[in-house]
Amino acid sequence: GENVEQHPSTLSVQEGDSAVIKCTYSDSASNYFPWYKQELGKGPQLIIDIRSNVGEKKDQRIAVTLNKTAKHFSLHITETQPEDSAVYFCAAKVYDKIIFGKGTRLHILP
Amino acid sequence: ETGVTQTPRHLVMGMTNKKSLKCEQHLGHNAMYWYKQSAKKPLELMFVYNFKEQTENNSVPSRFSPECPNSSHLFLHLHTLQPEDSALYLCASSQEWGPSTDTQYFGPGTRLTVL
Repeated sequence: GENVEQHPSTLSVQEGDSAVIKCTYSDSASNYFPWYKQELGKGPQLIIDIRSNVGEKKDQRIAVTLNKTAKHFSLHITETQPEDSAVYFCAAKVYDKIIFGKGTRLHILP
Repeated sequence: ETGVTQTPRHLVMGMTNKKSLKCEQHLGHNAMYWYKQSAKKPLELMFVYNFKEQTENNSVPSRFSPECPNSSHLFLHLHTLQPEDSALYLCASSQEWGPSTDTQYFGPGTRLTVL
């Protein structure tokens, strides 16, 4: 079955710098890749997603890239702000199943 | 907020208790999900209901019993739980369950502690 690996597990960046989180997946049939942000005391919230027919998608300071050949996708956050501190989850959907990564705890340092 | 509410937000129970978690979605969706979130582990899908019918049960122990009386409400009945069942239980919903449906919307979760 599908397996999603996410790195790093923890990431600290200086406020204003960029953060990159990477995920790999195993099933080439995966066709949808959402990213979720989970703040303390809340459930995961979708922040951006990408489908397998697109290589890159951007929404203000957030972007996601997908390399289908290498089976990896990445989340890029530019000009990081304190409110970006949270746990971020990647996921891959294959057929009717969504498999999540283990999450990355992002700390934005003042 | 996401349109998915969960009650209670926190629950402490003994191993012999019986309790229920409730989820309600106000998005007009037809699929609802229960997930278990434990520290250092990926989100684990437990159950899926599509148009009130259970379509997925990922080998969940029988001490967890789901109920979906209509497309807007989902319950998780708990009995004779173990301490290792302590976790954050998340409810989610989406338009439908299937290959063509993608985005899931999560509730805030119920933090369950089993003593």
